[in-house]
Amino acid sequence: GNSVTQMEGPVTLSEEAFLTINCTYTATGYPSLFWYVQYPGEGLQLLLKATKADDKGSNKGFEATYRKETTSFHLEKGSVQVSDSAVYFCALKDSGGGADGLTFGKGTHLIIQP
Amino acid sequence: GAGVSQTPSNKVTEKGKYVELRCDPISGHTALYWYRQSLGQGPEFLIYFQGTGAADDSGLPNDRFFAVRPEGSVSTLKIQRTERGDSAVYLCASSLEGNNEQFFGPGTRLTVL
Repeated sequence: GNSVTQMEGPVTLSEEAFLTINCTYTATGYPSLFWYVQYPGEGLQLLLKATKADDKGSNKGFEATYRKETTSFHLEKGSVQVSDSAVYFCALKDSGGGADGLTFGKGTHLIIQP
Repeated sequence: GAGVSQTPSNKVTEKGKYVELRCDPISGHTALYWYRQSLGQGPEFLIYFQGTGAADDSGLPNDRFFAVRPEGSVSTLKIQRTERGDSAVYLCASSLEGNNEQFFGPGTRLTVL
């Protein structure tokens, strides 16, 4: 079956630090990959996505590249801000006949200190 | 415009009772999804509607869970004979069609005592 594994949190960084949140996946077909973010007190929002191998998704200074050879979709940002504090979820949607919903990782709580 | 709305925002019930959770998708979105998020976990897929029909209910954990979308808009998730293990946040999402971006509602926090 499909699964997503992401690094355990919480991850605590200082403002302007470089961020990497690791995400690897297992899928039966050719999935699309997503990063969702949940800010305190808010609902899940799509941060970025990539639909095929070597695609790079980017938004709000965050980037992630779809690496089929390593089955990874790591989230990166060059200089984090306090406002980036949130829970980040890596997710996939399989195109190979699996469930039609998204498969999520457990989430990584990111805390940015001023 | 209005996003996905869910009611109630919180529901506390006793073990063995029946509950209904409602989802109002974004107007014009034909696809609707239900997920369940337990504490410290990511959302888990429950069921997907395309229009009025349940196109994929493979995530429903057992036959105590049922969902309907009779007019292709509002959906209701129904849980019979609730158990303490059903306590979670139930999320609804909608999208224009099945393969487009899913927009999530704020969730209903269900607590079974």
